[in-house]
Amino acid sequence: EAGVAQSPRYKIIEKRQSVAFWCNPISGHATLYWYQQILGQGPKLLIQFQNNGVVDDSQLPKDRFSAERLKGVDSTLKIQPAKLEDSAVYLCASSSIKDSYGYTFGSGTRLTVV
Amino acid sequence: SQQGEEDPQALSIQEGENATMNCSYKTSINNLQWYRQNSGRGLVHLILIRSNEREKHSGRLRVTLDTSKKSSSLLITASRAADTASYFCATAALSEKLVFGKGTKLTVNP
Repeated sequence: EAGVAQSPRYKIIEKRQSVAFWCNPISGHATLYWYQQILGQGPKLLIQFQNNGVVDDSQLPKDRFSAERLKGVDSTLKIQPAKLEDSAVYLCASSSIKDSYGYTFGSGTRLTVV
Repeated sequence: SQQGEEDPQALSIQEGENATMNCSYKTSINNLQWYRQNSGRGLVHLILIRSNEREKHSGRLRVTLDTSKKSSSLLITASRAADTASYFCATAALSEKLVFGKGTKLTVNP
């Protein structure tokens, strides 16, 4: 079974620039999550999708972050404009009832804002 | 905000010893999960324990859950250098959303 795919693996941008991350979840997984992990901390949920609908985006900074899930499969997370404090690893995960809600995480995208 | 709180923040042991990490949480849960993260990589799901379960085993891993104390522990027996990683507990309510703690950094010295 293929895992959760994320790209790019690394990204360095200047503050005020924009950036986009892509995620392809495990086939058949209805639920998709984006997490932000700042160095030395645990992951923090940014947004949760169920198929192509948003379930929870309460911690997404909507003035600069946006996310969509195309046709209930792939998802993109965008930051525009980026700030220095957005430097973090962005993790995508998917889950299924059949897997008893255990998440499968991608390798993440490490973003550095300079 | 983070729900789980792991203890200790860092743990250093010798190969062959057992490692115990604890997690406390604040609100009612549906299940609690433990994850491992190697440096610079994604998280790997280790084990899930439901709120009506008290103990679960998987290989060298043993997880306990005490819902009355809102706490869980992860025991890794006969540790190996390859177990060196950060370990996170995460709690889920009915919404499936996982809320992670800050993690315990485990170092196993050969």
